[in-house]
Amino acid sequence: DTGVSQNPRHKITKRGQNVTFRCDPISEHNRLYWYRQTLGQGPEFLTYFQNEAQLEKSRLLSDRFSAERPKGSFSTLEIQRTEQGDSAMYLCASSLSGSEAFFGQGTRLTVV
Amino acid sequence: AQSVTQPDIHITVSEGASLELRCNYSYGATPYLFWYVQSPGQGLQLLLKYFSGDTLVQGIKGFEAEFKRSQSSFNLRKPSVHWSDAAEYFCAVGSTTDSWGKLQFGAGTQVVVTP
Repeated sequence: DTGVSQNPRHKITKRGQNVTFRCDPISEHNRLYWYRQTLGQGPEFLTYFQNEAQLEKSRLLSDRFSAERPKGSFSTLEIQRTEQGDSAMYLCASSLSGSEAFFGQGTRLTVV
Repeated sequence: AQSVTQPDIHITVSEGASLELRCNYSYGATPYLFWYVQSPGQGLQLLLKYFSGDTLVQGIKGFEAEFKRSQSSFNLRKPSVHWSDAAEYFCAVGSTTDSWGKLQFGAGTQVVVTP
């Protein structure tokens, strides 16, 4: 087990296109989190899952964003109709309830 | 509403010198507090955490932090920095609904280590 894995590491897309990112958590971690980090800022919470249930979504998560975690294992984050303001690093983290969160290396999205 | 402030955007320190990074928080109850480090191209790594007990906590890589409730602070320290400590450091506070994973981060402090 090599930790939280995110794919792709980099994505360049044209404005208006849809993109999907994948996160594979550490095995047996029941909680999975998505964050967004823009240049010069700390990560901002987007949403989190306990097993397959999405428990909370930030107000930052507009209607163009959707996240899923089918079967409580890997998760996907989709952004529809991308805008230049969506350019950021998208981080995924996983944990066991009541324990430390481990972060992946992130997916850097550039919208041109 | 909870918040985390890291007053120093950028700190330059000589190798071998001591380092202190400041963090102030605003939170209604006893907070879960964390320090993470992020190296270029890497994910966030937890350095240390505090949620109860001894207010001086030890972490990995020789770091320690002190929780001061009266000052709403959780400053990170290292007695002697190494060139490998050059990175960005984030202070974070856990939420009431998920203290460990739903975190509010400060804006970060970039640490540069000079020879």
